[in-house]
Amino acid sequence: AQSVAQPEDQVNVAEGNPLTVKCTYSVSGNPYLFWYVQYPNRGLQFLLKYITGDNLVKGSYGFEAEFNKSQTSFHLKKPSALVSDSALYFCAVRDLGTNYGGSQGNLIFGKGTKLSVKP
Amino acid sequence: NAGVTQTPKFQVLKTGQSMTLQCAQDMNHEYMSWYRQDPGMGLRLIHYSVGAGITDQGEVPNGYNVSRSTTEDFPLRLLSAAPSQTSVYFCASSSRGGGPYEQYFGPGTRLTVT
Repeated sequence: AQSVAQPEDQVNVAEGNPLTVKCTYSVSGNPYLFWYVQYPNRGLQFLLKYITGDNLVKGSYGFEAEFNKSQTSFHLKKPSALVSDSALYFCAVRDLGTNYGGSQGNLIFGKGTKLSVKP
Repeated sequence: NAGVTQTPKFQVLKTGQSMTLQCAQDMNHEYMSWYRQDPGMGLRLIHYSVGAGITDQGEVPNGYNVSRSTTEDFPLRLLSAAPSQTSVYFCASSSRGGGPYEQYFGPGTRLTVT
């Protein structure tokens, strides 16, 4: 079965320091991986995705993510955190059709990691 | 281009009442879905649709119905509201089901059932 795990409920970072939000996944084949951000009382916004090719993916707002097939990880990173980056971050993997009756459109989400950036 | 819109933003229901959460997208997306978000549980898929006239159940479908008569609209119906359905509901769409396509989310509906 496909699954995704975010091992940290919360990550605390000082402004200006690098940040990492961790994500590991389990799929039967090759994954499509996504990161989303949710600001308070808002919907989820797409940040970036990994499809194939270069293991370092660049996305919106200066974020990037590194795909590591051997460690089945897709960690979100940013070289210098901003207070405005404080939000809830979700990792997601594409369902390859084994969970919900054959659909290949469904995303499986992690439980989310709350990022807090202090001045 | 409004993207994905949801109405209402907030709703309070009494146990046993029914209601419909509206979702519309103007991007001509084939795939639409409904999630609920509960603290500590991430997003859980309720129902989804891969095109007009086609719907299917997700992880937590009990107590909810959907239909997809047009490409644009994907309403979610609560048949007889229960306190366990207190949650934040998100509608999402993507150009197609499957593949590398990201989903676009609406702003959410916060539902309280008393």
